[in-house]
Order: sequence, then structure tokens, then C-alpha cells
Amino acid sequence: EVQLVETGGGLVQPGKSLKLTCATSGFTFSNAWMDWVRQSPEKQLEWVAQIKDKSNNYATYYAESVKGRFTISRDDSKSSVYLQMNSLKEEDTAIYYCTGWGFDYWGQGVMVTVSS
Amino acid sequence: DIVMTQGVLPNPVPSGESASITCRSSKSLVYKDGKTYLNWFLQRPGQSPQLLTYWMSTRASGVSDRFSGSGSGTYFTLKISRVRAEDAGVYYCQQVREYPRTFGGGTKLELK
Repeated sequence: EVQLVETGGGLVQPGKSLKLTCATSGFTFSNAWMDWVRQSPEKQLEWVAQIKDKSNNYATYYAESVKGRFTISRDDSKSSVYLQMNSLKEEDTAIYYCTGWGFDYWGQGVMVTVSS
Repeated sequence: DIVMTQGVLPNPVPSGESASITCRSSKSLVYKDGKTYLNWFLQRPGQSPQLLTYWMSTRASGVSDRFSGSGSGTYFTLKISRVRAEDAGVYYCQQVREYPRTFGGGTKLELK
């Protein structure tokens, strides 16, 4: 059974940092391109970042809204993908989903609230 | 960025009828390999999005054949035949032709 479990969300003040973790199982993680997608309180879906696999040199891509503030990374030995979020803004408030294998696999999501 | 624009459904849809959801892209989603890089998702209330179709018309694993995707390079349709209660939710299209990947605003399907 495929599982993706996100952790690390919570309430954080503007300008602070947070790191999300997505632990996976049930598929060949090392071959998978992994993405983070977020959903705003208004329910709009926004793609955040992608990291490709080793054969593609772990290339990374970002939405313009997070470029320079967020970093996606992975650890194939742990079948996990991460999202380091720095300089958080109130508009980063959303449910963050980990997704993989061409958006076929999704986690349950983790809430990130940025507020003073 | 490629802008994805979704249509509105005349809700509610009677159970057993068909429903067609439309999506338009600001740029062709056809890649040089001939494939059209358009995904459809369904998000049921309280759940994560679920991939329905990719490459415009290929159903994801386990997805009912009542769902069928079609279209051209910039105009797409997801048809749901014999609508059932479990089909209720918000449908999103997404382009994966270019970075950044972009989603449509969603189309809500309610059943009568």
C-alpha cells in the first residue's frame, strides 16, 4: 500500500522558518519525482516545488512565489522528501501536500499557519 | 506562466445523468513527443486530490471508465457518465507541460 505522511506543520510567526517532512512507503521512491502542492484557505491549489530523481541529477524547480525562500530536498535512503520554508509570509498559510509519481500519490496534507 | 481557466457546472446534476467539465489553457499543452500534458483531479470533501486522468485522456490506475478526458491543445473536457453520489466534489485541471505547473480554479460538482 502506498503511503505518504507529512509532518512538521503548525503555527509560526511571519519571518520564521519551518521544515516539512514527507515519509513515504509502498513504491520505489528513488525513481519518483516528488512535488509539494499547497491549498490556500480559499481552496485554490498551487504547485510549490519539484525534485527529480538521481538519474535526473536531483534537479529542482520552484514556483516564483517561493523561489529563494523554500528549498526542496530528498533522502532516498529514508524514502523521504522535505520542504524547508524560510522567511515565511502570511500568504504561505495553506495545507501542504506531498505528492509523487506524476501526482498519482498524495499525502493527507499538513496545515501551515503563518500569523503573528 | 500558463493560465488554466475552468468552466462552471449548472449544479446540481441529477444522479445518473452525464456531466462535462471544461478547462482552457493559455498555451498549447502539446509537447514535441505528441502527448498533451494535462491532468484532471477530483477532490472530495475533506480529502486530498485524486488523479483521474493524465496525458489528457489516459485514466489513472483504478479510475472508473465513467471518466473520460478529451480535447485539443488548449481546450479540454472531462466527461463523467452516469454521475453517482461519490463523484461529488471539486474537479481541477492542471498543466504539466511547463514549469511552473499550474492548476485551474476548480469546478464544483453537486448532485441532485
